[in-house]
Amino acid sequence: SQQGEEDPQALSIQEGENATMNCSYKTSINNLQWYRQNSGRGLVHLILIRSNEREKHSGRLRVTLDTSKKSSSLLITASRAADTASYFCAGYTGNQFYFGTGTSLTVIP
Amino acid sequence: GAVVSQHPSWVICKSGTSVKIECRSLDFQATTMFWYRQFPKQSLMLMATSNEGSKATYEQGVEKDKFLINHASLTLSTLTVTSAHPEDSSFYICSAKTGSGGTEAFFGQGTRLTVV
Repeated sequence: SQQGEEDPQALSIQEGENATMNCSYKTSINNLQWYRQNSGRGLVHLILIRSNEREKHSGRLRVTLDTSKKSSSLLITASRAADTASYFCAGYTGNQFYFGTGTSLTVIP
Repeated sequence: GAVVSQHPSWVICKSGTSVKIECRSLDFQATTMFWYRQFPKQSLMLMATSNEGSKATYEQGVEKDKFLINHASLTLSTLTVTSAHPEDSSFYICSAKTGSGGTEAFFGQGTRLTVV
């Protein structure tokens, strides 16, 4: 697996605000997934966006994909304290994954 | 997305014992599964690629005799940590590729191993 980059590495916001995280990768991918990981816990699949899609919504989540820039963003609207977790992207080429280093999000009640 | 289940979610074992972790694709057949290890505050590192009916391909630096991988069926791959030591304590995660020509792969929820 190869590393992508994610920014910011850490983000702290007030409850109710929106949180935006970005992910960049280095090669062509078939799709990209965003996952959430609470401290010391397992992975939770949030959303998958395919290479022919530019934007996808799921509840309070909005994901964009720009294949020309090899980047993706995850927007969480109206954040809640329970959204506090690490978020990372995983781009899949069909043979291997590219992982972002993750963004640690803290939502302050 | 498709469902990949890992078992157990967490396990504590004594040094010197072996631990088996299962990775199952619940609603699809997975000819290829991947095993990862995650150290604290770090991203996932690929350990090996497991193909059904053949030997796993290990990444450089991963001891194949210590981390035994068996992919005996299209829905199950197992990772056995043999003669575990405290330094093997980590978070182990699998992912399964959807079909031989699959363009998607999904992660299990992970297994936290603590060796005492």
